[in-house]
Amino acid sequence: QVQLQESGPGLVKPSQTLSLTCTVSGGSISSGSYFWSWIRQPAGKGLEWIGRFYTSESTNYNPSLKSRVTISVDTSKNQFSLKLSSVTAADTAVYYCARARYSGSYYFDYWGQGTLVTVSS
Amino acid sequence: QSVLTQPPSVSEAPRQRVTISCSGSSSNIGNNAVNWYQQLPGKAPKLLIYYDDLLPSGVSDRFSGSKSGTSASLAISGLQSEDEADYYCAAWDDSLNGQVFGGGTKLTVL
Repeated sequence: QVQLQESGPGLVKPSQTLSLTCTVSGGSISSGSYFWSWIRQPAGKGLEWIGRFYTSESTNYNPSLKSRVTISVDTSKNQFSLKLSSVTAADTAVYYCARARYSGSYYFDYWGQGTLVTVSS
Repeated sequence: QSVLTQPPSVSEAPRQRVTISCSGSSSNIGNNAVNWYQQLPGKAPKLLIYYDDLLPSGVSDRFSGSKSGTSASLAISGLQSEDEADYYCAAWDDSLNGQVFGGGTKLTVL
């Protein structure tokens, strides 16, 4: 059974860079055709897709965040990470990592439990 | 403002049937499959329906999905109190080259 677990600071100062890591267990991050993804959810609001990593030459980001986001994979640690620069209070949210796959449809089949990141001085 | 449009809330009595709509455009629902996620209070979303109408293993057949043109629907029959949750539709958007979600629908079982 694949499991994902987010980790990282719960508090980030405005203008700094938010950094989160997702550790994958129960399967190799480098096996299969999966998209390693990040999604966030501000308190009381809906889900927002941040982006995905497929290969080092194939990443996609939400156009509204593209200039500030980097998603990368560390196969040696079976982890993938999110970096979001120049954060503001509007970036305060629960951040989820998820595995996506394509089988006629692009969907998230495994999710982490989520981690709350607050942007505040 | 979400790219996909869902009603903010729906409610129905136990053992009844409810549907949740999801409206999009030709760049998302009209050209790509729709997926549905269930988010129980305080929990991560869970895949409920994929490829418009397919159920993942372990999901109750009380849930069903359909799609027509640029709209999709999630139906839940035999409502139970444990179905109280937020439900999100999602699809790939070719214009944005990214995943888009609906704003979510809160289901209340009366």
